[in-house]
Formats: sequence, structure tokens, C-alpha cells
Amino acid sequence: QVQLQESGPGLVKPSQTLSLTCTVSGGSISSGGYYWTWIRQHPGKGLEWIGYIYYSGSTYYNPSLKSRVTISVDTSKNQLSLKLSSVTAADTAVYYCARVGIVGAWRGYFDYWGQGTLVTVSS
Amino acid sequence: EIVLTQSPGTLSLSPGERVTLSCRASQSVSSSYLAWYQQKPGQAPRLLIYGASSRATGIPDRFSGRGSGTDFTLTISRLEPEDFAVYYCQQYGSSPTFGQGTKVEIK
Repeated sequence: QVQLQESGPGLVKPSQTLSLTCTVSGGSISSGGYYWTWIRQHPGKGLEWIGYIYYSGSTYYNPSLKSRVTISVDTSKNQLSLKLSSVTAADTAVYYCARVGIVGAWRGYFDYWGQGTLVTVSS
Repeated sequence: EIVLTQSPGTLSLSPGERVTLSCRASQSVSSSYLAWYQQKPGQAPRLLIYGASSRATGIPDRFSGRGSGTDFTLTISRLEPEDFAVYYCQQYGSSPTFGQGTKVEIK
């Protein structure tokens, strides 16, 4: 059973960079066959996809966030990471990582999710 | 960007009832790349349906999905107490987007 666990600071100051890590257990990121992704959920609101990464390091980002997002992978630690720069209060959200069942090029459904971590942007 | 509109926003129902949730896309969703998720308070979403009609592993057969093009539905044949939650549709035929959710609450 694949498990994902997000970790990182729960409070980030405006204009700084939000950094989160997702540790995957029960399966190897480098085995291929899946994308890995970050999604966020603003408090009391719906879900917003942030971006995909493959174990090779190839990425595909949400166009609305692309200029501020970097997703990376560390296969030796079986982790993926998210960096979001120049944050504002609008970036306050619960951030989830998830595994993506591939059905096509940069297409897939999100079959395993982490529990999520709340990040608040405030001075 | 494909916009997904879910209706209704909230449903008040009793255990044992049948419910059908709607998800309409602003343009055709290619290859029926449409998923449904269930989310309970304080929890991550859980995949229920993918490919518009395929149940995910471990999902009871009271959950069923159908549809194609721009119109999709999720049906729960008989509501169990644990089914009261928020349901989201998601398309993954292009950059993924989610609907705004339908809350199924106890009447």
C-alpha cells in the first residue's frame, strides 16, 4: 500500500518561498509508471492542481502558477518537493501530494493522496 | 482551461436514499478522462471513479459513474452513513481542473 506524507513549515512570511517535501513509502518513485503531483486546497474551498513530475525529473505545471513553481524529485530519498516563490496570503492552503495513475502523456487520475499539510502565509 | 460545474451545491438526504450528482464541463473532456473523489472533513480526497465509469480499488459497487463529452454523473444507489461528504469531479484530459464540489449532508 503506497503512503505519502507531506512535511514542511506551517507558517511562511509574505514574499518568501514556500518549501514542502513529500515522502513516499510502500513503493519506489524511480520504478516508473506513475507521475507524482501536488494539489492545494484553500480553506473551505475547492481543489487546485499545481503540477506533475516524473521520476526522470520532467515536469508539467499549472499555467497559472508556472512562473512561481518548482517541483523536483529525489529518488535516493523517495521524495518529491514543492517550492512556491513570492508567496502571498492567497497561497494559504492545505497542500497535498499524490500519486498519478498514468493514462497518457501528462494525463492521469490521482489514486493515492497524502494527508495534507496546512501552510499559512502571514507576517 | 476546462471549467467543471457541479450541481447541486448541497443535497440534504436520508440514509438509504439514491442520489445522483452532476458534473458539466465547459468543453468536451477527451477520452472520458473524468474522475470523482469523496472528501470528508479533515481528510484528503479519496478516488472513487476514474475514466468516467471505472470504480477505484476497494470502492463499493453502490457508487457508479457515467457520462461522456461534457455531461457526467455520479450515482450512489443507497446512501450509507459514511457516504455523507463532499464530492468533487475532476478532468484530466488537459491541465487538470476540479469542480467546486457537491456536499451531501444528512437530512
